[in-house]
Amino acid sequence: AQSVTQPDIHITVSEGASLELRCNYSYGATPYLFWYVQSPGQGLQLLLKYFSGDTLVQGIKGFEAEFKRSQSSFNLRKPSVHWSDAAEYFCAVDSGGGADGLTFGKGTHLIIQP
Amino acid sequence: AAGVIQSPRHLIKEKRETATLKCYPIPRHDTVYWYQQGPGQDPQFLISFYEKMQSDKGSIPDRFSAQQFSDYHSELNMSSLELGDSALYFCASSPGGRTRDSYEQYFGPGTRLTVT
Repeated sequence: AQSVTQPDIHITVSEGASLELRCNYSYGATPYLFWYVQSPGQGLQLLLKYFSGDTLVQGIKGFEAEFKRSQSSFNLRKPSVHWSDAAEYFCAVDSGGGADGLTFGKGTHLIIQP
Repeated sequence: AAGVIQSPRHLIKEKRETATLKCYPIPRHDTVYWYQQGPGQDPQFLISFYEKMQSDKGSIPDRFSAQQFSDYHSELNMSSLELGDSALYFCASSPGGRTRDSYEQYFGPGTRLTVT
């Protein structure tokens, strides 16, 4: 069964600084990978996805992520964070079977310092 | 753009009562997923439906059941509610089929269920 690990429970970054959130997955084949963002009490918004092809994928709100098969990682990055980026970030994997449920990591809580 | 609609947004029930949550997918989406998110937890997959048939099953308790109707909306029925069922319940939808788009799940705002 697939699994996702987000090693950092909390991350604090100063506004304007760069950001990297880590995600490691465990899955036998090439997984479908996603990053979602959730503001308090809100639903999950899809930031970006990786299916195949280019290992660097661009998403919304200035986010990007890089798929590294050798490291089983799919880290999320942003060059300059804004206070509005404060939220919970979830990495997720889909086994690719069609209509399968996503397996989420435990999430990383991003705090932005002024 | 139209999004996933869930109703009600908030629901308060007592132990041992029954609750029904409704989900209306994005137009032309034929696949629906249900997730449960406990306080401070990651979303846990419960069940999914494709073209009105159950497609995948996760950690859904036997006390819960769900179905998808001919108009593709879905209902999650929860019986004999327990305090531990208090959570945010999300519905997501996707276009279905076997294209890449079918793997993008769009989430609704959730229904917050409180069991007292």
